[in-house]
Parts: sequence; structure tokens; C-alpha cells
Amino acid sequence: AQSVTQLGSHVSVSEGALVLLRCNYSSSVPPYLFWYVQYPNQGLQLLLKYTSAATLVKGINGFEAEFKKSETSFHLTKPSAHMSDAAEYFCAVTDISSGSARQLTFGSGTQLTVLP
Amino acid sequence: DTGVSQDPRHKITKRGQNVTFRCDPISEHNRLYWYRQTLGQGPEFLTYFQNEAQLEKSRLLSDRFSAERPKGSFSTLEIQRTEQGDSAMYLCASNIAEWSYEQYFGPGTRLTVT
Repeated sequence: AQSVTQLGSHVSVSEGALVLLRCNYSSSVPPYLFWYVQYPNQGLQLLLKYTSAATLVKGINGFEAEFKKSETSFHLTKPSAHMSDAAEYFCAVTDISSGSARQLTFGSGTQLTVLP
Repeated sequence: DTGVSQDPRHKITKRGQNVTFRCDPISEHNRLYWYRQTLGQGPEFLTYFQNEAQLEKSRLLSDRFSAERPKGSFSTLEIQRTEQGDSAMYLCASNIAEWSYEQYFGPGTRLTVT
């Protein structure tokens, strides 16, 4: 079974400050990991993905994440927050074993607020 | 390239009524997934199709729920005898099974059962 834990349901940062959203996973097989962003009343948009290539993954809108197997973590960062980054962020894991449905298992989300 | 579309975007219904939602995936995507998202939570997997075959259903999908993808293109999700606990956002996603693990999501259908 797989699971994702996102520490901090709400994170507030000042505009221009570092954004750090935490994600830890549990998986019995090597996982693929994703970060999605959701704006109010909208679907989820893919920010970035880890698929066992480079452990440091760059995504859209200046976000990046680092896969750390020893820490079972996949934290999302952005050097300088912008007002438009305010949204809910979800970390997700998928089972890549043969025959898997490859459904995504999501964390409970982190609401990011950017203060002027 | 149009994205995943869902219809309706919002649905308000009275308890006990039946509702049906539609999802149109990205063209040529052979896998289609349904998720349910309640307030303050991440999406939870309900079921998925490869082409027209429904291959897996979550235990969250009670007997009142049924999903179809008759021609391997659009899909419908029907909820019979709705309950207040069915109030949620229903999300559809699609991808190509052979070479994609990320999924592309539609805007969702928000269901409110009164």
C-alpha cells in the first residue's frame, strides 16, 4: 500500500520569500511522485514529476522538488513566492509495478497563502 | 489540443435523486480515471478504464455508483439515490497507458446534495 503525508495543511509566506512544501511518502515499491496545484473551483494541474531519472526535478512556474530516497521525501520548493502562487498543492504517488492501475494516491494537500 | 472536459461543472440535487456526470478525455488517451475529492482532502481514486473496459473499482464505489465508457472515448459516472455524503467534487483524468504516468485532470463536477 502507498500513502503520502503532507506536513502542514496551511503554509503562509511573504511575497518574495522561499516556498517549502513538505511531502513524505510510503511505498513498498519504487514510486513515481508528482506535485499538482489546484486553484479554487478548478481541476489539478501538474507542476512536476519524478520518474526515476534525475533526483532534482524542475517544473513549471519556477518550482522544483528533490527526491530523497533515504528520507522518503519529495519536498516542493520555489526560491521566491509570487502572489499568483497562492493555491492548494497536492503531492501524489503512483505504483509503477506491472499490471498496476497506476492510480494516483494523494496527500491531503497544503494551502499556500502568499502575503503582500 | 483541448484538455479534459467535464459536464456539468456544478450540480445541485435533492437527496434520493439520480445524477449523471460526463467526462471527455484528451483525444487518443486510452486510460480514463474517476476521483472524488471532499472538502479539505486530496482526491481519492474511484475507478478507471482502459479503452472501454472498466478494470478496477475502489471500495469507495458503492453499488449506487456506476461508470461506463461505452466506445472508449467519453465516460459517464452515475450516482443513484444520492445521499448527502455524496456531496463532493468529482474529477476525471486521462492519460496514455503505454508511456505516461502523469494524469491530466478536468475541471471537475461539484455535486451538492441537499
